[in-house]
Amino acid sequence: RKEVEQDPGPFNVPEGATVAFNCTYSNSASQSFFWYRQDCRKEPKLLMSVYSSGNEDGRFTAQLNRASQYISLLIRDSKLSDSATYLCVVKFGYSGAGSYQLTFGKGTKLSVIP
Amino acid sequence: EPEVTQTPSHQVTQMGQEVILRCVPISNHLYFYWYRQILGQKVEFLVSFYNNEISEKSEIFDDQFSVERPDGSNFTLKIRSTKLEDSAMYFCASSRDIQGNQPQHFGDGTRLSIL
Repeated sequence: RKEVEQDPGPFNVPEGATVAFNCTYSNSASQSFFWYRQDCRKEPKLLMSVYSSGNEDGRFTAQLNRASQYISLLIRDSKLSDSATYLCVVKFGYSGAGSYQLTFGKGTKLSVIP
Repeated sequence: EPEVTQTPSHQVTQMGQEVILRCVPISNHLYFYWYRQILGQKVEFLVSFYNNEISEKSEIFDDQFSVERPDGSNFTLKIRSTKLEDSAMYFCASSRDIQGNQPQHFGDGTRLSIL
């Protein structure tokens, strides 16, 4: 069964705070991992891909632990514009026999307050 | 930056009517997708399309649904006889490839309201 679980939040944090989101996925036969953000009633937008060694993009750091089937996203120095729902997304499938579909978590809502 | 475009932005239809949602994927992308999101719920995969045929579909994508690429640019989702529970945001997405970390890029969606 392919499932992605996230803490639904909401997370209410002051500007400048550091906030961390966690995500677990059910199927060890997983291929690719992403964080998307979704503003209210808008489309999901790619925030970053998540690589096995972990990766950073400015204030955003993503980590992957395949053994624990766990993904995290850290946002440093949060801005008002970071307020959104953060979606953990997994593409399941074996290497060489890729699946096409993305499986989404329900998302964690973040509100950054002045 | 190239983007996926969808029309209409909002469609209101009577139950039982047919509806066609339209999408123009990013021009050099080869893989196309439809997802839906019922209000307050998570984004759910419907179907993927490659090389003019369906490559994968979910349980949601039953006989009422069909997809088509009628020309070199458009990608459509048809719902033959709409039901109340088809009310949702429908997102089209496209990707250049499916290998590795190739992301899928989403259009801004069509809000479908069934009365």
